[in-house]
Amino acid sequence: AQRVTQPEKLLSVFKGAPVELKCNYSYSGSPELFWYVQYSRQRLQLLLRHISRESIKGFTADLNKGETSFHLKKPFAQEEDSAMYYCALSGTGGFKTIFGAGTRLFVKA
Amino acid sequence: NAGVTQTPKFQVLKTGQSMTLQCAQDMNHNSMYWYRQDPGMGLRLIYYSASEGTTDKGEVPNGYNVSRLNKREFSLRLESAAPSQTSVYFCASSEALQGRYGYTFGSGTRLTVV
Repeated sequence: AQRVTQPEKLLSVFKGAPVELKCNYSYSGSPELFWYVQYSRQRLQLLLRHISRESIKGFTADLNKGETSFHLKKPFAQEEDSAMYYCALSGTGGFKTIFGAGTRLFVKA
Repeated sequence: NAGVTQTPKFQVLKTGQSMTLQCAQDMNHNSMYWYRQDPGMGLRLIYYSASEGTTDKGEVPNGYNVSRLNKREFSLRLESAAPSQTSVYFCASSEALQGRYGYTFGSGTRLTVV
């Protein structure tokens, strides 16, 4: 079954520390992975897509098909990174995007 | 440049009351979606519309109905609200069903059913 797992509900780091938000997926086809961010009481926004291999706000994510993972990383966390982060999986053939349960990142001063 | 607009932003209903959540997008997207967001459960798909004139059930459709009024508008109706429908509702749109380029979300509707 298709599934997106974010094992950490809450991740707390100090400002300037590296951060990694984990995402694992299960999908039999060729996946397309995304990270979305939701700042306090705001709408979800697309942060990055694996197909574009981009870096947004210092965040990067690499698709590892062998480990079926798409972890989100940033070398130096900032207080403004505090938010809810959702990993999402899309596929082919009319497959709708499914979302993980989310990880709340809290960056402490 | 509004993107996806949802109304209302907040609503309190009594059990058994009905209401319609409105959603409109101005990006000429073909596909539209309704999600609910609950703590610890992430986003769950209620209904979706792959293109104008079509609608389909998602993961949690019970207690809801939808209408794709035209390409721009996709409404969600609660016929008889229940406390279990207390949630934050998000409308989203994408160019195509696969959402290859990601989804654009509305600002959400915080619904409380008492």
